[in-house]
Amino acid sequence: DVKVTQSSRYLVKRTGEKVFLECVQDMDHENMFWYRQDPGLGLRLIYFSYDVKMKEKGDIPEGYSVSREKKERFSLILESASTNQTSMYLCASSLLSRGGDGELFFGEGSRLTVL
Amino acid sequence: GQNIDQPTEMTATEGAIVQINCTYQTSGFNGLFWYQQHAGEAPTFLSYNVLDGLEEKGRFSSFLSRSKGYSYLLLKELQMKDSASYLCAYLLYNFNKFYFGSGTKLNVKP
Repeated sequence: DVKVTQSSRYLVKRTGEKVFLECVQDMDHENMFWYRQDPGLGLRLIYFSYDVKMKEKGDIPEGYSVSREKKERFSLILESASTNQTSMYLCASSLLSRGGDGELFFGEGSRLTVL
Repeated sequence: GQNIDQPTEMTATEGAIVQINCTYQTSGFNGLFWYQQHAGEAPTFLSYNVLDGLEEKGRFSSFLSRSKGYSYLLLKELQMKDSASYLCAYLLYNFNKFYFGSGTKLNVKP
């Protein structure tokens, strides 16, 4: 069975703390993504990666960085957490497919609260 | 989302049929996806259209018109468990990037 695992379902951090959100997939997918989901705004792409050590900014990369040292793992880093980063964070992966049929597989999500 | 629109909320009755519309504006389009998301859970894949026309999968069907930038998800014989948010997303070919609409919250009532 396809599996995308996010390390923490719920986190509470303080303003200014460094936060790591980890994501691991076991499907040998090339593409991995980090989204945040907020009410009324839908899913917004933060960063994505299409290969090891490769990363591309999404639509809202400010305040975030990512790391992809291994194919199966894609980490999202908040260098200095702020209250406006309180959100649900969703990791996803997909096959690199020129046929366009690379559906996304999502992790369970990490709900981050920054106080 | 990136120039992708769908209604915020809809209500329908158990056993009925409901159609959720999605319109989008983009170039380099390579496919239209529908995802279902129950409250507090991750989105799960429902359907995918790349060519014009209707794709049927049991109680769920999805339609695409590329020339009109329009898709809909049709849910038949509604069940209470269909109460969820339905997310429309398109895939950009060149970057394998997905762009999502804000989602349509469907409330199914007895």
